[in-house]
Amino acid sequence: KAGVTQTPRYLIKTRGQQVTLSCSPISGHRSVSWYQQTPGQGLQFLFEYFSETQRNKGNFPGRFSGRQFSNSRSEMNVSTLELGDSALYLCASASGGYNSPLHFGNGTRLTVT
Amino acid sequence: GEDVEQSLFLSVREGDSSVINCTYTDSSSTYLYWYKQEPGAGLQLLTYIFSNMDMKQDQRLTVLLNKKDKHLSLRIADTQTGDSAIYFCAERGGSSNTGKLIFGQGTTLQVKP
Repeated sequence: KAGVTQTPRYLIKTRGQQVTLSCSPISGHRSVSWYQQTPGQGLQFLFEYFSETQRNKGNFPGRFSGRQFSNSRSEMNVSTLELGDSALYLCASASGGYNSPLHFGNGTRLTVT
Repeated sequence: GEDVEQSLFLSVREGDSSVINCTYTDSSSTYLYWYKQEPGAGLQLLTYIFSNMDMKQDQRLTVLLNKKDKHLSLRIADTQTGDSAIYFCAERGGSSNTGKLIFGQGTTLQVKP
């Protein structure tokens, strides 16, 4: 079974721009979660989508948004980029059932200049 | 609130056992997880334990859970240089099917030949 696939692997953007990151979950998985990883704050939960609906949300500003498509693929969008948005963005998929463990992709490294 | 604490660094000799410790605060946590992150990669699920268990063994990995003290440990037997990585402890925040995990800061394991 193919793992979680995230594209692109690397992105360089300028302050004020917006960016869209993509995540393809493991086949059959209906839950997709997004995390931000930085040296200062560690791993922080952004949001989770299940069956095209946002099921959980972390404490991030509204500039961070996401969506999920009918094939469970998910995208995350960050608008009006700030320098502090530079981070590794990780996507994780799970079947969505009781204690279904999360499986992570290799992430997208976003650098904002 | 939810919080997970880990020591930041551990150094061992190849062939020795490594023990990585973690404490958590949410007494309602049902599942606790260990993930491994190698440089430039995402998180790899190593193992997990249900909160009504005291111990779980999986090949070279042993997880011990002291629910009274909210203490979790990961023991790696016969540690190899390929085990050098960052190890994250995580608890599931909220319901057992949520995609929200609360992570510790990560323990960097250095294995010396």
